[in-house]
Amino acid sequence: AQSVTQLGSHVSVSEGALVLLRCNYSSSVPPYLFWYVQYPNQGLQLLLKYTSAATLVKGINGFEAEFKKSETSFHLTKPSAHMSDAAEYFCAVSDQNQGGKLIFGQGTELSVKP
Amino acid sequence: SQTIHQWPATLVQPVGSPLSLECTVEGTSNPNLYWYRQAAGRGLQLLFYSVGIGQISSEVPQNLSASRPQDRQFILSSKKLLLSDSGFYLCAWSVDSPATNEKLFFGSGTQLSVL
Repeated sequence: AQSVTQLGSHVSVSEGALVLLRCNYSSSVPPYLFWYVQYPNQGLQLLLKYTSAATLVKGINGFEAEFKKSETSFHLTKPSAHMSDAAEYFCAVSDQNQGGKLIFGQGTELSVKP
Repeated sequence: SQTIHQWPATLVQPVGSPLSLECTVEGTSNPNLYWYRQAAGRGLQLLFYSVGIGQISSEVPQNLSASRPQDRQFILSSKKLLLSDSGFYLCAWSVDSPATNEKLFFGSGTQLSVL
C-alpha cells in the first residue's frame, strides 16, 4: 500500500529565508508524486508533479522538488520565502495504474514571518 | 476550458439532519470524479471515486454516500449527519490520459460544520 509522511505539521520561516517542506513516500511501484497548496478558505492547487521524467521538478511560484528514490523522498523547496507563500502544503502519491486516486500526507502549514 | 463547480461554499447543519453537496464539471466528458474530506488537523482523505455514471467506489466506511446521476455530476449525501462529519469537503476530477499524467482538478470546497 502507498503512504505519504510529511515531517512537521507546522513550519515557520522568515520572509526571504529558505523554505523546506519534507515528504517521504512509500510505494511498491514507481510512483507519481505531487505537491498541492491550499490557501485559506480555498481549494487545492497543483504546485508541481513528478511523473518519472526529470528528478528535479520545477513548479509554480518558484517552488521545486527533487525526487530521490534512494531516500524515498520528495521534499519541496523555495530559495526565498514570500509572505504570500503562507498556506497549507500537501504531498501526495499515486500509483501509476490507479488514475487520479491520490494518497495525501497530513499537510504542513507554512507560516512566513515579516 | 474545463471548470468544476462545487456548492455550497459553507454549510452549518444540526446533528441528525440530511446533507447534499453537489459538484459539476464542465468542458470535459467521462471524467473520473472524487470526493475528499479534510478534517481539522488532518490530511485529505479520499471518500468516494467514480469512473462512470452509477459507478461509485467507497474508500472508507462512513455515514456518507455518493451518487453520480449524470456524467458530470457528483453528489455527496447523508441521511443523518454526525458531529464527526464536520470538515472541509473537496470535489475533484481527472481524465485518464497520458497528457494529464494523473492531475487532479479540485473544486473550491465546502466547509461543513455539524452542530
